[in-house]
Amino acid sequence: DAKTTQPPSMDCAEGRAANLPCNHSTISGNEYVYWYRQIHSQGPQYIIHGLKNNETNEMASLIITEDRKSSTLILPHATLRDTAVYYCIVSRVKVTFGTGTKLQVIP
Amino acid sequence: EAGVTQSPTHLIKTRGQQATLRCSPISGHTSVYWYQQALGLGLQFLLWYDEGEERNRGNFPPRFSGRQFPNYSSELNVNALELEDSALYLCASSLTANEKLFFGSGTQLSVL
Repeated sequence: DAKTTQPPSMDCAEGRAANLPCNHSTISGNEYVYWYRQIHSQGPQYIIHGLKNNETNEMASLIITEDRKSSTLILPHATLRDTAVYYCIVSRVKVTFGTGTKLQVIP
Repeated sequence: EAGVTQSPTHLIKTRGQQATLRCSPISGHTSVYWYQQALGLGLQFLLWYDEGEERNRGNFPPRFSGRQFPNYSSELNVNALELEDSALYLCASSLTANEKLFFGSGTQLSVL
């Protein structure tokens, strides 16, 4: 499975867009990029996923580069409730999470 | 529709004992995954079951084992508990092996 690299932490002002990067340079052609978030010690929550095209849903947007070696999760208007650890994972079969990015939304 | 349910919510054991954790996936989901999350760390993959079979396991010793029942519920057993086994154990299910994961709230295991 492809390995992902994310910054350990980021800050974002409330109401601004939060852009969370993820590198997955060893991604295979049939592997999807998934994003999850974990608030406190609750179970992670699915946010969005994509293969090669940009995706948008009610929670976020996912931008995948043309070479698919990196992606960015965009929370368009961050709120305090978006403070969480965000995980980017790439997997076709086995799913392994790293330590993610701890996003702190600041009032 | 009920989500992924895990029991018990909290479990306290002493060193050397055995712990059994249970997970009921979302109805219709055939894949069940187990993760360990020690305090302040990421999710470490433990086990993956699909259609009653163990499909993959992470880098954990054999005293971590489990099974999946015909109704797709799953059980994680940890034998000869050690202090470092204290962690949040999360179960997730998916419709098929490649689909998005839905997580339960976890079982907090404390080993004294």
